Amino acid sequence: DAGITQSPRHKVTETGTPVTLRCHQTENHRYMYWYRQDPGHGLRLIHYSYGVKDTDKGEVSDGYSVSRSKTEDFLLTLESATSSQTSVYFCAISLAGGGGTGELFFGEGSRLTVL
Amino acid sequence: DAKTTQPPSMDCAEGRAANLPCNHSTISGNEYVYWYRQIHSQGPQYIIHGLKNNETNEMASLIITEDRKSSTLILPHATLRDTAVYYCIFGGGAGSYQLTFGKGTKLSVIP
Repeated sequence: DAGITQSPRHKVTETGTPVTLRCHQTENHRYMYWYRQDPGHGLRLIHYSYGVKDTDKGEVSDGYSVSRSKTEDFLLTLESATSSQTSVYFCAISLAGGGGTGELFFGEGSRLTVL
Repeated sequence: DAKTTQPPSMDCAEGRAANLPCNHSTISGNEYVYWYRQIHSQGPQYIIHGLKNNETNEMASLIITEDRKSSTLILPHATLRDTAVYYCIFGGGAGSYQLTFGKGTKLSVIP
């Protein structure tokens, strides 16, 4: 299994509080991604990174920010959590961003509940 | 919105071949077709991918039509552990970093 660790795995928080989810990899893969998964919506891309300090928005980036100061860590921050951000968050990594070697390896997910 | 079309659910008898179809009529010439699956609430797992030619690995076979507008994932001898949601996606062309997942097909393998 790919060396991907997400933390925390479970978190309950209140509306308006900041939340940071961490994704840590030991594979030295260049590309990292944050997805969220909700019933009826499948997996949706929030943000991705194609290198240290290089990030870009996905399809559902509003309300989220990311940072990548080291190859191995990709942080997802909810500045002020809302109930609509209750979801399961998956981190993924890939060796290449595309071109046929864009195979994604996923972490086990972080379940966030915003009350 | 997802760019692929998959049936929402399918059943397959244990030990039989499971054939999962996918339509991706808007695929570009340099984009690959990928298949992933997700068992329960685990993270999705990569199965196979291809560009033009049919592909086979230890998990499955991928058949891509000549016009590349559709494909079929084949699990040759389905087991109960293959019960999962299967996602067909395409992307990964030059300059593209995003793979967009749809809702997938829920495959139930029946004893």
